Amino acid sequence: EAGVAQSPRYKIIEKRQSVAFWCNPISGHATLYWYQQILGQGPKLLIQFQNNGVVDDSQLPKDRFSAERLKGVDSTLKIQPAKLEDSAVYLCASSQGGQGGFNYGYTFGSGTRLTVV
Amino acid sequence: AQSVTQLDSQVPVFEEAPVELRCNYSSSVSVYLFWYVQYPNQGLQLLLKYLSGSTLVKGINGFEAEFNKSQTSFHLRKPSVHISDTAEYFCAVRSGGYNKLIFGAGTRLAVHP
Repeated sequence: EAGVAQSPRYKIIEKRQSVAFWCNPISGHATLYWYQQILGQGPKLLIQFQNNGVVDDSQLPKDRFSAERLKGVDSTLKIQPAKLEDSAVYLCASSQGGQGGFNYGYTFGSGTRLTVV
Repeated sequence: AQSVTQLDSQVPVFEEAPVELRCNYSSSVSVYLFWYVQYPNQGLQLLLKYLSGSTLVKGINGFEAEFNKSQTSFHLRKPSVHISDTAEYFCAVRSGGYNKLIFGAGTRLAVHP
C-alpha cells in the first residue's frame, strides 16, 4: 500500500511569512495526526482528526497555526505568521483506529523540514 | 498525565556489541507502549509494540523489548548491532481513547566499526 505522502520536503521562509504543508494519508485511514518535532526532542502532537472532525487540538498554537481536513482525506497545516521557534520537522501520520479503536500503530510520512530565518 | 522518559540521550556502541536503550513511563491506566526508529531525514518507523500478553515483545530488525510493570519500564535491546542500526530511537505511550501517542525525547544510537 502507498504510504503517507507529505509535501514539500523542505521549506525555508522568513519570520512573519506564512507557510502551508500538505498531507495525504493512507487510503481508508480515518485518523490523521500532525506532529511537530523540534530538533533534539520527541514529536509532539499538534492536532488529531477523526475523519473530518477535530478530536484533539489542545497543543496547537491557535493564534498562528490552523489545520483542516475538509473531506476527511488529505489535510493542510498552515502557519501564519511564522516565528523562529516554529523551525522543526512537521510529521503527518495516519491510522485506522477510531474512538477506542484497536489500532495502535501509526504510519508516518517523511515529514516537512521547516526553517524559519 | 502519561509521560515517557528516555534515560540516555546518546548511546555509542561498537558493531556486533549488545545494546540496551532505556525507557520509563508513567501511566495510571492500561498501558500500551511502542518503540519507533527514525533514520536521518525520514519519518518514524514502528519497531515493536506492547499491547497485552507476553511481556517480551519481538520486533523488526532483531530488536526486542521487555515490559516491566513493577519498574514501569520498557527497555529496548538488541544482542548484536550493525552499522545500519545507527538512528534515533523513540519510546512512546498511548494516551487516551483517541490513540494519541506521547513520545520520549529520543535516544541517538551511534554504532561504530
